[in-house]
Amino acid sequence: DAGVTQSPTHLIKTRGQQVTLRCSPKSGHDTVSWYQQALGQGPQFIFQYYEEEERQRGNFPDRFSGHQFPNYSSELNVNALLLGDSALYLCASSPSRTGGATQYFGPGTRLLVL
Amino acid sequence: GENVEQHPSTLSVQEGDSAVIKCTYSDSASNYFPWYKQELGKGPQLIIDIRSNVGEKKDQRIAVTLNKTAKHFSLHITETQPEDSAVYFCAASKDTGFQKLVFGTGTRLLVSP
Repeated sequence: DAGVTQSPTHLIKTRGQQVTLRCSPKSGHDTVSWYQQALGQGPQFIFQYYEEEERQRGNFPDRFSGHQFPNYSSELNVNALLLGDSALYLCASSPSRTGGATQYFGPGTRLLVL
Repeated sequence: GENVEQHPSTLSVQEGDSAVIKCTYSDSASNYFPWYKQELGKGPQLIIDIRSNVGEKKDQRIAVTLNKTAKHFSLHITETQPEDSAVYFCAASKDTGFQKLVFGTGTRLLVSP
């Protein structure tokens, strides 16, 4: 049983560029959440998708947007990159049928903005 | 909104000793408390969780206790091994609907042989 997968593993961009990160949830999971983890800190919630709609959003600007596909996979898009966007971006999946609180994380995508 | 505080930030123990990490939360409506282990270069791994209708939960060498009145919960690792060395995060959430996890700041545990 494959766990949560993310791509790419690493990414280098320059300020002002746009980036798309991808996530495939664990088998049987239909809810996907995205988190940003700055170096030395705990993950910070960005947003959560279920049934292809954004269900909840954290305190992140509109430059951060997402999408969920019919197969439950998800994308995180960040526009107009800033140096401060450099972080590990984590995707977590959960099954809505059990409440959705128990979340399983992928390995993350490390983004460096120069 | 919810705020989670975690202590200590670093913890060094000798192999075989016990380790305890403590967290406090602010939102009395939170009722789900997971613990994650994050090794270098990897994503957080769920190691144990507890819900507010339970005061303690054990899984081999790992246990979690919850004091809902005081709004704090703790992770206990007994007979520590070098492979327990990692960063540990506590988190809090409500357990219904679409909920986000609010994480503590992490504890770096170092187990020396």
